[in-house]
Amino acid sequence: QSALTQPASVSGSPGQSITISCTGTSSDVGAYNYVSWYQQHPGKAPKLMISDVSNRPSGVSNRFSGSKSGNTASLTISGLQAEDEADYYCSSYTSSNTLGGVFGGGTKLTVL
Amino acid sequence: EVQLLESGGGLVQPGGSLRLSCAASGFTFSSYAMSWVRQAPGKGLEWVSVISGSGGSTYYADSVKGRFTISRDNSKNTLYLQMNSLRAEDTAIYYCAKEITFGGIIVITLDYWGQGTLVTVSS
Repeated sequence: QSALTQPASVSGSPGQSITISCTGTSSDVGAYNYVSWYQQHPGKAPKLMISDVSNRPSGVSNRFSGSKSGNTASLTISGLQAEDEADYYCSSYTSSNTLGGVFGGGTKLTVL
Repeated sequence: EVQLLESGGGLVQPGGSLRLSCAASGFTFSSYAMSWVRQAPGKGLEWVSVISGSGGSTYYADSVKGRFTISRDNSKNTLYLQMNSLRAEDTAIYYCAKEITFGGIIVITLDYWGQGTLVTVSS
């Protein structure tokens, strides 16, 4: 199971929008709509922000949105706020080699 | 309120064994698949293993296959991870996490996470 590919870092100013990409293969992101996104602040457990490509769990701000095209999924955060500064990870169900999950390498979001 | 509390981490020598536990509460434990996810110091998340709600299906990452065993005791609302033949590269915080989908279906979408337990493999 090779990790999904994410940019190491992205940045934006308060109020702006940013997009984080997540590229996989036809065995994971391209094959299933079980793509999710997690936010992790330093020293904390990850928090689910997006499930099933574009669904927001209850309590997650509507500033967070997800999409997918082919083997690439994306997370967009609009109206950036200081508290959005964190690490973001994508994840997908995979049937490569064996069934299970695969995460991206993570993206550090800096709010300037 | 869903709560997941991991325990059992610690310092172990290379080649040694350790069993992690995750005590769950606040939901019908047997109705949900559960995963273990780990994070090496300063690194990203790595999915480790998943078990169906009934315990009848288990899957592993290639990096731990043959060395780690996931199991659950639904009568005790507890998830386990037996780790054998430990290596330095297994050093990480180990999180247990609950699947979002009711019915024990495995989709590796994790809506609740514990705070993690640190495993250090070193001589």
